[in-house]
Amino acid sequence: SQTIHQWPATLVQPVGSPLSLECTVEGTSNPNLYWYRQAAGRGLQLLFYSVGIGQISSEVPQNLSASRPQDRQFILSSKKLLLSDSGFYLCAAASSYEQYFGPGTRLTVT
Amino acid sequence: QKEVEQNSGPLSVPEGAIASLNCTYSDRGSQSFFWYRQYSGKSPELIMFIYSNGDKEDGRFTAQLNKASQYVSLLIRDSQPSDSATYLCAVWMDSSYKLIFGSGTRLLVRP
Repeated sequence: SQTIHQWPATLVQPVGSPLSLECTVEGTSNPNLYWYRQAAGRGLQLLFYSVGIGQISSEVPQNLSASRPQDRQFILSSKKLLLSDSGFYLCAAASSYEQYFGPGTRLTVT
Repeated sequence: QKEVEQNSGPLSVPEGAIASLNCTYSDRGSQSFFWYRQYSGKSPELIMFIYSNGDKEDGRFTAQLNKASQYVSLLIRDSQPSDSATYLCAVWMDSSYKLIFGSGTRLLVRP
């Protein structure tokens, strides 16, 4: 079975600072990878997904970007954080139709 | 019309009762359906998936799919306070390799 790692678990960053969140997957090859954001009390918002190395699809135009430098590594970045970037960031992986989530990173932008 | 719709709740049931969670979807071509459970402050956990019309049972959980009515449901028998969580319905989109999630139904099981 696959295991999804995300770090850090929590993060407090000032407005205007950069961001880098990493997700790695174990136990599967060539998964589809996803970044979601969940604002407090809200539903899941798909930010990016990737079906292969270097292949990134963006769902929502914003100041975030994603990269997939290796098969099982997915990175979410920002050059300058906004207050509205606060939320629970979730990485997910799917090798078939079944999609599994990592533990998430809770980001607070102050 | 949203692609996947759920009643936000909360749905409150007494301990030991059957909780029935419902979801409708708009894409008639959808083939794969999923239920996730999300405890407060935690990430979603996949608990059931169903691909064929009819019922699929796993322990206390039963997923029901009716493609003609574009309706999928999750029944939780003998509900426990530990079942209190938000339940997310999701539909797989073959054309774009992604899940479309509903906004979730909050379930409260009263002791």
